[in-house]
Amino acid sequence: AQSVTQLDSQVPVFEEAPVELRCNYSSSVSVYLFWYVQYPNQGLQLLLKYLSGSTLVESINGFEAEFNKSQTSFHLRKPSVHISDTAEYFCAVGYQKVTFGTGTKLQVIP
Amino acid sequence: DAEITQSPRHKITETGRQVTLACHQTWNHNNMFWYRQDLGHGLRLIHYSYGVQDTNKGEVSDGYSVSRSNTEDLPLTLESAASSQTSVYFCASSAGQPNSPLHFGNGTRLTVT
Repeated sequence: AQSVTQLDSQVPVFEEAPVELRCNYSSSVSVYLFWYVQYPNQGLQLLLKYLSGSTLVESINGFEAEFNKSQTSFHLRKPSVHISDTAEYFCAVGYQKVTFGTGTKLQVIP
Repeated sequence: DAEITQSPRHKITETGRQVTLACHQTWNHNNMFWYRQDLGHGLRLIHYSYGVQDTNKGEVSDGYSVSRSNTEDLPLTLESAASSQTSVYFCASSAGQPNSPLHFGNGTRLTVT
């Protein structure tokens, strides 16, 4: 069995400020972790993924996430957010059959 | 470019009617999935398929069915629509490897009145 918990349903943050979106997971098998982003009226898009190897993974647009096995966490961070980062972010676990968290809406305030 | 197309984008139907939502992918992926998205619940898996003639129930499959007669299509049927099935429905596909992500369609917003 696998599950994902995203405790923060909404996170407001000022433009150019840092942000952290929290994700905790549970999985009884090998851990494959993902962050997906959803912009309004669109489907989800892959932001970054952890499969194995380095515990710090990065996306092309400045986001990073760190896999922490002891804390069963995969938090998403960005040191300086932009207005264009306003979206909903979903943490997910598994492959073949993926389980999603409930999502965190990131609102970037000008 | 490869893509997933869902149709219709919006649908309004009445309680008790049968409704079919279409999903067509040109990725040539074996794996296809249907999710519903509801406020406070995130995405929940309805049905999934690992290949032609293969279908499996997800966590919220009651009242829904799917069939997989070819690689490209996985239509989702609501046998007798209920108000509780008002939601946004997303179709996704993947190649089925750990390093291959899910590719999503743009969703179908279904309202059952």
